[in-house]
Amino acid sequence: DAGVTQSPTHLIKTRGQQVTLRCSPKSGHDTVSWYQQALGQGPQFIFQYYEEEERQRGNFPDRFSGHQFPNYSSELNVNALLLGDSALYLCASSTGTAYNEQFFGPGTRLTVL
Amino acid sequence: GNSVTQMEGPVTLSEEAFLTINCTYTATGYPSLFWYVQYPGEGLQLLLKATKADDKGSNKGFEATYRKETTSFHLEKGSVQVSDSAVYFCALRGNNRLAFGKGNQVVVIP
Repeated sequence: DAGVTQSPTHLIKTRGQQVTLRCSPKSGHDTVSWYQQALGQGPQFIFQYYEEEERQRGNFPDRFSGHQFPNYSSELNVNALLLGDSALYLCASSTGTAYNEQFFGPGTRLTVL
Repeated sequence: GNSVTQMEGPVTLSEEAFLTINCTYTATGYPSLFWYVQYPGEGLQLLLKATKADDKGSNKGFEATYRKETTSFHLEKGSVQVSDSAVYFCALRGNNRLAFGKGNQVVVIP
């Protein structure tokens, strides 16, 4: 059984560009959460998708948007990239209820130059 | 809002030494508490958890007790190994989202 997978592993972009990161949840999971982990910091919650809708959102600007597909996979899109968007982006999957464990993928390392 | 505070700075210790990493939290209601571990180049792995006051989570020789009176969830291990070298994050779950501390890098020297 594959765990949570993310692609790409690494990505380099320049300021002002747009980026799309992808996540496939663990089999049987229907909820996907995205986190941003800046260097030397703990992960920060960006948003969560369930039934193809954004269910919750953290304190991130509208430049950060997402999507969930019918197969529960998800995308994170970031527009107008800033240097400060450089970070490890983590995807976590879980089942719909509030009390189930979130399983994390290995992350996508985004570098903005 | 919910927040987690971990002790400052990396932790360097010798093999077989005792490890303690302090974690305190601020939250409304009764959150679940977690310790995650991140090995170099990898994502987060759940190490242990506790869902209510006085619960003790344990795994791989690590332990942490949910102390509501001191709002703490300190991580301990009696005898560390080189393979325990990693970054450790304390986290709480409230409103179905996780709030993390800044993490502590643990380096175990042979």
